[in-house]
Amino acid sequence: KQEVTQIPAALSVPEGENLVLNCSFTDSAIYNLQWFRQDPGKGLTSLLLIQSSQREQTSGRLNASLDKSSGRSTLYIAASQPGDSATYLCAVSGPGTYKYIFGTGTRLKVLA
Amino acid sequence: EPEVTQTPSHQVTQMGQEVILRCVPISNHLYFYWYRQILGQKVEFLVSFYNNEISEKSEIFDDQFSVERPDGSNFTLKIRSTKLEDSAMYFCASLNTGELFFGEGSRLTVL
Repeated sequence: KQEVTQIPAALSVPEGENLVLNCSFTDSAIYNLQWFRQDPGKGLTSLLLIQSSQREQTSGRLNASLDKSSGRSTLYIAASQPGDSATYLCAVSGPGTYKYIFGTGTRLKVLA
Repeated sequence: EPEVTQTPSHQVTQMGQEVILRCVPISNHLYFYWYRQILGQKVEFLVSFYNNEISEKSEIFDDQFSVERPDGSNFTLKIRSTKLEDSAMYFCASLNTGELFFGEGSRLTVL
């Protein structure tokens, strides 16, 4: 049974710092990995999708990497801003299923 | 930009009542999902739907739950007899080329 873990559970950083969020999964035979952002009381916004044949994706100040063999992904946020404060979730699909299994999230607070 | 829409945004109901949560997925997507998130907990998979039938469901999705796609656009989640522990945020999602798109959620409060 696939399990997804995110470390740290919470993180507080001053504005301008570069930071790394970690995601690990127990079964490396995944199809895809997706990173989401969730603001309090809101839905999930897709940030980056890494498909099984890819190793990383970039969007603006965000870069996500995937190492399937070790069961890990990292989300790198450059030059963090107070508006980046949110919970960041990673989720994986597969093997043998198109449902996504979610991690518990990292709650990020960027201080002005 | 196309988006997944959900109604109602918030519903309060009495224990034992039936509730229907509605979703309009993105029109050209083929896989649809319901997830739930109990306050302070992780997002949990409930059910996936493809080609007008359930393709997968979790242990949470027991006989009290059902899904339907009554027409070409709506996708509904019905809870037949709500319990206190059904209080949660319910999210609808649709999938395209591996990417999952979520609605804003329906908050269900069972009293």
